[in-house]
Amino acid sequence: DAKTTQPNSMESNEEEPVHLPCNHSTISGTDYIHWYRQLPSQGPEYVIHGLTSNVNNRMASLAIAEDRKSSTLILHRATLRDAAVYYCIQSNFGNEKLTFGTGTRLTIIP
Amino acid sequence: GAGVSQSPSNKVTEKGKDVELRCDPISGHTALYWYRQSLGQGLEFLIYFQGNSAPDKSGLPSDRFSAERTGGSVSTLTIQRTQQEDSAVYLCASSATGRGINEKLFFGSGTQLSVL
Repeated sequence: DAKTTQPNSMESNEEEPVHLPCNHSTISGTDYIHWYRQLPSQGPEYVIHGLTSNVNNRMASLAIAEDRKSSTLILHRATLRDAAVYYCIQSNFGNEKLTFGTGTRLTIIP
Repeated sequence: GAGVSQSPSNKVTEKGKDVELRCDPISGHTALYWYRQSLGQGLEFLIYFQGNSAPDKSGLPSDRFSAERTGGSVSTLTIQRTQQEDSAVYLCASSATGRGINEKLFFGSGTQLSVL
């Protein structure tokens, strides 16, 4: 299974941008990078995904390095509701299930 | 319904009993996944259904675990002769086509299973 590496935890101040890093050094040309987050006592929810180019949606931005071996999830202005565990997942072509690691626990400081 | 629905939300059982957990995916979604999450851990893949294809059972931890998906919709995860180590949150997810490489998974809120 594809393996990503994330910090176990991060803290950020409310109303400031947050940059969550992820390393995926084994990525191949057809693998996508997905981000999900899990709020307390809930199932994971989709945040964003991309292949090569940077991606933006209403929740976040995804910046993918030129060599694709790392990426950064950017929350532009953190709120207390963004406190969650964030999972970075590398999907493999031909293997349709997503493998979740232990993610990064993000704490937002008021 | 609008989202993935799981029932029950909580289940307490005695060691050795059988339990059934239910998942109603989003209408029209052809792919359905079961994961489990032990306390403080990440998600562990259990089983994946995609349309009429044979399910991918590669994540089932033992032969006490089985799952069915009837009519391409509702799925039931059955755990026989439950053990205390089976205690976890069991999460169901669905996606439109099962092409997980490039589409979103939608998760339910899970079933918290406690085996006493």
